[in-house]
Amino acid sequence: DIQMTQSPSSLPASVGDRVTITCRASQDIRNDLAWYQQKPGKAPERLIYAASSLQSGVPSRFSGSGSGTDFTLTISSLQPEDFATYYCLHHNSYPLTFGQGTKLEIK
Amino acid sequence: QVQLVESGGDVVQPGRSLRLSCAASGFTFSGQAMHWVRQAPGKGLEWLAAISNDGGYQEYADSVRGRFTISRENTKNTLYLQMNSLRVEDTALYYCARDVYSAGTVGAPDYWGQGALVTVSS
Repeated sequence: DIQMTQSPSSLPASVGDRVTITCRASQDIRNDLAWYQQKPGKAPERLIYAASSLQSGVPSRFSGSGSGTDFTLTISSLQPEDFATYYCLHHNSYPLTFGQGTKLEIK
Repeated sequence: QVQLVESGGDVVQPGRSLRLSCAASGFTFSGQAMHWVRQAPGKGLEWLAAISNDGGYQEYADSVRGRFTISRENTKNTLYLQMNSLRVEDTALYYCARDVYSAGTVGAPDYWGQGALVTVSS
């Protein structure tokens, strides 16, 4: 099974900051990676698919990059509504696996 | 618009069974594979199972294989998760989610329901 290692688990930041979250796959997953945002009490929402494609309706301050085993989610200028938990998900093969999550917190 | 509405969550004793349903609308249900994902209280997301658009192919996580069964009724636009031999550690919010593909290729789920809460406790 493919394991996803996400870091950091917690990220204190301020409005306007540029932040980066990383995910590393235990083997090559090409670009079969998505990023999700989850706010408390809500279902996850897909932000990025195919590693770098922006989901329709998602602000352009979100971007994804990487292929193979190393991936990043970048938020160029944090807004108050971005404080949430973020997960990566590989969908290269079954079983799908999520990263452990990154909680973006107000500094 | 795409809507997924889970139902069937409840409080059950260990060893008992429960069936979750997910009613889909706003898209051609028979054209998309579907997934179940769960989230234990205060924990991360865990993928559980997937089913192809025609129901002919299923995949499971090791943690539920042999105990849970994913199925669908395309005539009713409904996805199911039959959960048997429930354990305390199965306590979670259970989400259904739509795949972007029908079968053959695994996609990243794009639409999710709001979840059904299952509590396993004696």
